[in-house]
Amino acid sequence: QKEVEQNSGPLSVPEGAIASLNCTYSDRVSQSFFWYRQYSGKSPELIMSIYSNGDKEDGRFTAQLNKASQYVSLLIRDSQPSDSATYLCAVGGMDSSYKLIFGSGTRLLVRP
Amino acid sequence: SAVISQKPSRDICQRGTSLTIQCQVDSQVTMMFWYRQQPGQSLTLIATANQGSEATYESGFVIDKFPISRPNLTFSTLTVSNMSPEDSSIYLCSVEKGTGGSYNEQFFGPGTRLTVL
Repeated sequence: QKEVEQNSGPLSVPEGAIASLNCTYSDRVSQSFFWYRQYSGKSPELIMSIYSNGDKEDGRFTAQLNKASQYVSLLIRDSQPSDSATYLCAVGGMDSSYKLIFGSGTRLLVRP
Repeated sequence: SAVISQKPSRDICQRGTSLTIQCQVDSQVTMMFWYRQQPGQSLTLIATANQGSEATYESGFVIDKFPISRPNLTFSTLTVSNMSPEDSSIYLCSVEKGTGGSYNEQFFGPGTRLTVL
Protein backbone atom coordinates (compact mmCIF):
# COMPACT_ATOMS: atom_id res chain seq x y z
CA GLN A 1 0.00 0.00 0.00
CA LYS A 2 1.56 3.25 -1.14
CA GLU A 3 1.30 5.90 1.55
CA VAL A 4 1.90 9.60 2.00
CA GLU A 5 2.16 10.81 5.59
CA GLN A 6 1.67 14.29 6.96
CA ASN A 7 1.23 15.69 10.44
CA SER A 8 -2.37 16.85 10.67
CA GLY A 9 -1.50 19.88 12.80
CA PRO A 10 -2.62 22.48 13.33
CA LEU A 11 0.74 24.12 12.85
CA SER A 12 0.51 27.58 14.38
CA VAL A 13 3.07 30.25 13.48
CA PRO A 14 3.13 34.01 14.02
CA GLU A 15 2.80 36.36 11.09
CA GLY A 16 6.15 36.93 9.39
CA ALA A 17 7.64 33.62 10.55
CA ILE A 18 8.71 30.66 8.42
CA ALA A 19 6.22 27.82 8.29
CA SER A 20 7.72 24.38 7.66
CA LEU A 21 5.45 21.60 6.42
CA ASN A 22 6.69 18.04 6.08
CA CYS A 23 5.68 14.93 4.18
CA THR A 24 7.07 11.41 3.89
CA TYR A 25 6.19 8.80 1.30
CA SER A 26 6.55 5.05 1.14
CA ASP A 27 7.02 4.32 -2.57
CA ARG A 28 10.73 4.58 -3.28
CA VAL A 29 10.21 4.82 -7.06
CA SER A 30 8.00 7.93 -6.83
CA GLN A 31 9.12 10.60 -9.27
CA SER A 32 6.82 13.59 -8.92
CA PHE A 33 5.89 15.57 -5.84
CA PHE A 34 3.35 18.30 -5.31
CA TRP A 35 2.04 20.69 -2.71
CA TYR A 36 -1.57 21.83 -2.85
CA ARG A 37 -3.20 24.51 -0.76
CA GLN A 38 -6.85 24.06 0.19
CA TYR A 39 -8.86 26.79 1.83
CA SER A 40 -11.92 25.74 3.81
CA GLY A 41 -14.81 25.03 1.46
CA LYS A 42 -12.63 25.31 -1.65
CA SER A 43 -10.93 22.82 -3.94
CA PRO A 44 -7.17 22.11 -3.83
CA GLU A 45 -4.90 24.56 -5.65
CA LEU A 46 -1.49 23.48 -6.94
CA ILE A 47 1.24 25.71 -5.52
CA MET A 48 4.48 23.75 -6.05
CA SER A 49 5.80 20.86 -8.14
CA ILE A 50 9.22 19.28 -7.63
CA TYR A 51 10.83 16.36 -9.44
CA SER A 52 14.53 16.27 -8.49
CA ASN A 53 16.48 16.36 -5.27
CA GLY A 54 17.19 19.74 -3.77
CA ASP A 55 15.31 22.98 -3.40
CA LYS A 56 12.88 24.73 -5.69
CA GLU A 57 11.86 28.28 -4.92
CA ASP A 58 8.81 30.21 -6.14
CA GLY A 59 8.20 33.51 -4.42
CA ARG A 60 7.72 32.91 -0.70
CA PHE A 61 7.47 29.15 -1.22
CA THR A 62 10.36 26.68 -1.26
CA ALA A 63 9.87 22.98 -1.87
CA GLN A 64 12.61 20.61 -0.74
CA LEU A 65 12.99 17.02 -1.91
CA ASN A 66 15.21 14.26 -0.55
CA LYS A 67 14.51 11.02 -2.40
CA ALA A 68 17.03 9.02 -0.34
CA SER A 69 15.10 9.86 2.82
CA GLN A 70 11.72 9.78 1.01
CA TYR A 71 10.96 13.19 2.36
CA VAL A 72 9.50 16.35 0.86
CA SER A 73 8.87 19.64 2.59
CA LEU A 74 7.37 23.05 1.95
CA LEU A 75 8.72 26.22 3.50
CA ILE A 76 6.61 29.36 3.53
CA ARG A 77 8.63 32.49 4.28
CA ASP A 78 7.12 35.65 5.74
CA SER A 79 3.90 33.79 6.56
CA GLN A 80 0.71 35.79 6.23
CA PRO A 81 -2.72 35.18 7.78
CA SER A 82 -3.93 34.54 4.21
CA ASP A 83 -1.64 31.48 4.14
CA SER A 84 -3.87 29.85 6.77
CA ALA A 85 -5.19 26.75 5.00
CA THR A 86 -4.71 23.01 4.76
CA TYR A 87 -1.65 21.97 2.76
CA LEU A 88 -1.83 18.65 0.96
CA CYS A 89 1.23 16.72 -0.14
CA ALA A 90 0.75 14.54 -3.24
CA VAL A 91 3.10 11.99 -4.77
CA GLY A 92 3.08 10.48 -8.25
CA GLY A 93 4.64 7.15 -9.21
CA MET A 94 6.33 5.80 -12.28
CA ASP A 95 3.35 4.03 -13.81
CA SER A 96 1.59 5.42 -16.81
CA SER A 97 -1.69 6.11 -15.02
CA TYR A 98 -0.65 9.56 -13.76
CA LYS A 99 -2.31 8.82 -10.45
CA LEU A 100 -1.43 10.90 -7.42
CA ILE A 101 -1.55 9.73 -3.84
CA PHE A 102 -2.52 12.46 -1.38
CA GLY A 103 -1.55 12.85 2.23
CA SER A 104 -4.16 13.74 4.79
CA GLY A 105 -3.00 17.36 4.89
CA THR A 106 -1.50 19.72 7.47
CA ARG A 107 -3.60 22.58 8.72
CA LEU A 108 -1.59 25.80 8.99
CA LEU A 109 -2.71 28.70 11.15
CA VAL A 110 -0.84 31.99 10.84
CA ARG A 111 -1.53 34.25 13.84
CA PRO A 112 -1.66 38.02 13.16
CA SER B 1 -3.13 25.14 -15.94
CA ALA B 2 -6.75 24.63 -17.00
CA VAL B 3 -10.12 26.20 -16.31
CA ILE B 4 -12.48 23.55 -15.00
CA SER B 5 -16.14 23.87 -14.18
CA GLN B 6 -18.45 21.45 -12.41
CA LYS B 7 -22.22 21.24 -12.27
CA PRO B 8 -24.03 21.26 -9.94
CA SER B 9 -21.97 23.08 -7.33
CA ARG B 10 -24.11 21.53 -4.61
CA ASP B 11 -27.20 19.40 -4.24
CA ILE B 12 -29.35 17.81 -1.59
CA CYS B 13 -30.77 14.46 -2.61
CA GLN B 14 -32.99 11.77 -1.22
CA ARG B 15 -31.61 8.32 -0.53
CA GLY B 16 -32.12 5.83 -3.31
CA THR B 17 -31.89 8.44 -6.06
CA SER B 18 -29.01 9.16 -8.43
CA LEU B 19 -27.11 12.33 -9.26
CA THR B 20 -24.96 13.03 -12.30
CA ILE B 21 -22.10 15.48 -11.90
CA GLN B 22 -20.64 17.18 -14.96
CA CYS B 23 -17.05 18.31 -15.44
CA GLN B 24 -16.08 20.63 -18.30
CA VAL B 25 -12.54 21.71 -19.19
CA ASP B 26 -11.56 24.68 -21.35
CA SER B 27 -8.98 22.68 -23.34
CA GLN B 28 -8.46 19.12 -24.49
CA VAL B 29 -6.94 16.80 -21.90
CA THR B 30 -6.15 13.12 -21.99
CA MET B 31 -6.44 12.29 -18.32
CA MET B 32 -9.38 13.19 -16.12
CA PHE B 33 -9.89 11.99 -12.57
CA TRP B 34 -12.76 11.84 -10.11
CA TYR B 35 -12.12 12.18 -6.39
CA ARG B 36 -14.20 12.14 -3.25
CA GLN B 37 -13.38 14.23 -0.19
CA GLN B 38 -15.38 13.48 2.90
CA PRO B 39 -15.58 16.11 5.68
CA GLY B 40 -12.23 16.63 7.34
CA GLN B 41 -10.58 14.02 5.14
CA SER B 42 -8.11 14.02 2.32
CA LEU B 43 -8.83 13.18 -1.30
CA THR B 44 -9.69 9.64 -2.32
CA LEU B 45 -9.43 8.74 -6.00
CA ILE B 46 -12.58 7.11 -7.34
CA ALA B 47 -11.53 6.49 -10.92
CA THR B 48 -9.45 7.62 -13.87
CA ALA B 49 -11.41 8.53 -17.01
CA ASN B 50 -9.70 8.38 -20.39
CA GLN B 51 -11.49 9.34 -23.56
CA GLY B 52 -12.46 6.38 -25.66
CA SER B 53 -11.93 3.72 -23.03
CA GLU B 54 -13.60 2.39 -19.92
CA ALA B 55 -12.88 4.21 -16.70
CA THR B 56 -10.40 2.58 -14.33
CA TYR B 57 -11.78 2.28 -10.81
CA GLU B 58 -9.82 2.23 -7.58
CA SER B 59 -10.25 -0.42 -4.94
CA GLY B 60 -13.55 0.03 -3.14
CA PHE B 61 -15.30 1.79 -6.02
CA VAL B 62 -17.39 -0.02 -8.64
CA ILE B 63 -18.91 0.97 -11.95
CA ASP B 64 -22.46 0.10 -10.91
CA LYS B 65 -22.28 2.63 -8.08
CA PHE B 66 -20.20 5.30 -9.83
CA PRO B 67 -20.69 5.06 -13.60
CA ILE B 68 -18.48 7.47 -15.53
CA SER B 69 -18.72 8.78 -19.05
CA ARG B 70 -15.95 10.44 -21.07
CA PRO B 71 -17.44 11.24 -24.47
CA ASN B 72 -14.70 13.66 -25.58
CA LEU B 73 -11.45 15.30 -24.48
CA THR B 74 -13.09 18.21 -22.62
CA PHE B 75 -15.99 16.61 -20.74
CA SER B 76 -16.79 13.87 -18.26
CA THR B 77 -19.64 12.88 -15.98
CA LEU B 78 -19.76 10.94 -12.74
CA THR B 79 -23.05 9.47 -11.54
CA VAL B 80 -23.57 8.59 -7.91
CA SER B 81 -26.20 5.85 -8.02
CA ASN B 82 -28.68 4.61 -5.45
CA MET B 83 -27.41 7.14 -2.96
CA SER B 84 -27.21 6.68 0.80
CA PRO B 85 -26.23 9.20 3.50
CA GLU B 86 -22.71 7.70 3.42
CA ASP B 87 -22.32 9.18 -0.08
CA SER B 88 -22.54 12.69 1.35
CA SER B 89 -19.24 14.21 0.33
CA ILE B 90 -17.52 16.65 -1.96
CA TYR B 91 -16.89 15.22 -5.41
CA LEU B 92 -14.03 16.73 -7.38
CA CYS B 93 -12.87 16.28 -10.93
CA SER B 94 -9.31 16.99 -11.93
CA VAL B 95 -7.27 17.00 -15.13
CA GLU B 96 -3.64 16.21 -15.79
CA LYS B 97 -2.11 19.11 -17.65
CA GLY B 98 1.66 18.95 -17.71
CA THR B 99 3.43 21.84 -19.40
CA GLY B 100 7.06 22.21 -20.37
CA GLY B 101 9.19 20.12 -18.06
CA SER B 102 6.36 19.37 -15.66
CA TYR B 103 4.24 16.27 -15.66
CA ASN B 104 1.63 14.61 -13.49
CA GLU B 105 0.35 18.03 -12.43
CA GLN B 106 -3.35 17.85 -11.67
CA PHE B 107 -5.72 20.80 -11.57
CA PHE B 108 -9.03 20.59 -9.78
CA GLY B 109 -12.50 21.77 -10.49
CA PRO B 110 -14.44 23.69 -7.83
CA GLY B 111 -16.18 20.55 -6.57
CA THR B 112 -19.75 19.39 -6.04
CA ARG B 113 -21.02 19.29 -2.48
CA LEU B 114 -23.52 16.44 -2.16
CA THR B 115 -25.78 15.89 0.83
CA VAL B 116 -27.92 12.75 0.94
CA LEU B 117 -30.86 12.71 3.32
